[in-house]
Amino acid sequence: EVQLVESGGGLIQPGGSLRLSCAASGFTVSNSYMTWVRQAPGKGLEWVSVIYSGGTTYYADSVKGRFTVSRDNSKNTLYLQMNSLRDEDTAVYYCARSLAGAVYWGQGTLVTVSA
Amino acid sequence: DIVMTQTPLSSPVTLGQPASISCRSSQSLVHSDGNTYLSWLQQRPGQPPRLLIYKISNRFSGVPDRFSGSGAGTDFTLKISRVEAEDVGVYYCMQATHFWTFGQGTKVEIK
Repeated sequence: EVQLVESGGGLIQPGGSLRLSCAASGFTVSNSYMTWVRQAPGKGLEWVSVIYSGGTTYYADSVKGRFTVSRDNSKNTLYLQMNSLRDEDTAVYYCARSLAGAVYWGQGTLVTVSA
Repeated sequence: DIVMTQTPLSSPVTLGQPASISCRSSQSLVHSDGNTYLSWLQQRPGQPPRLLIYKISNRFSGVPDRFSGSGAGTDFTLKISRVEAEDVGVYYCMQATHFWTFGQGTKVEIK
């Protein structure tokens, strides 16, 4: 069974850094198309970043240059390093796995950027 | 970027009655591999998104058969044949043909 468990969220001041983790089970992260999506309070879903099985990464313009997606194959875990955080980065962050068009979602972790 | 536009944004429905949500993309969602990566998600209050339908019309594991998807190219529809109380929530269309983008969401509530 595919499971995704995010962690690492919390309260952080503007300008700070945070690293989110997404621990996967039931499949191999390094062989998968993995995505981060976020949802600001009361708002819709926003694509943040993707890492393909070959290691290529892409980012939304809103986070480019500040966020970095990576993975640790030995831990079967996906990461999102978030630097220079802004108020508008406040959101629940979800990791997701794509497989043949189907998408598996984690439960999410809340990041609050506030002074 | 591909823009996804959903209508309506709010859908009050009577229990047992059908509901329908439309989604239009700003460009064709047919991928170079021949697939159309259009999905429908349900998000109940306080919950993460849940996949209902993928590649236009494929029901995900465990999804009741009252949910169905149809469409092609740039126009897609999600139908609920008979709305139940547990169907209350926000529904999003999502394209994964070129990165991912989402519709604004349609709130389904009981009249």
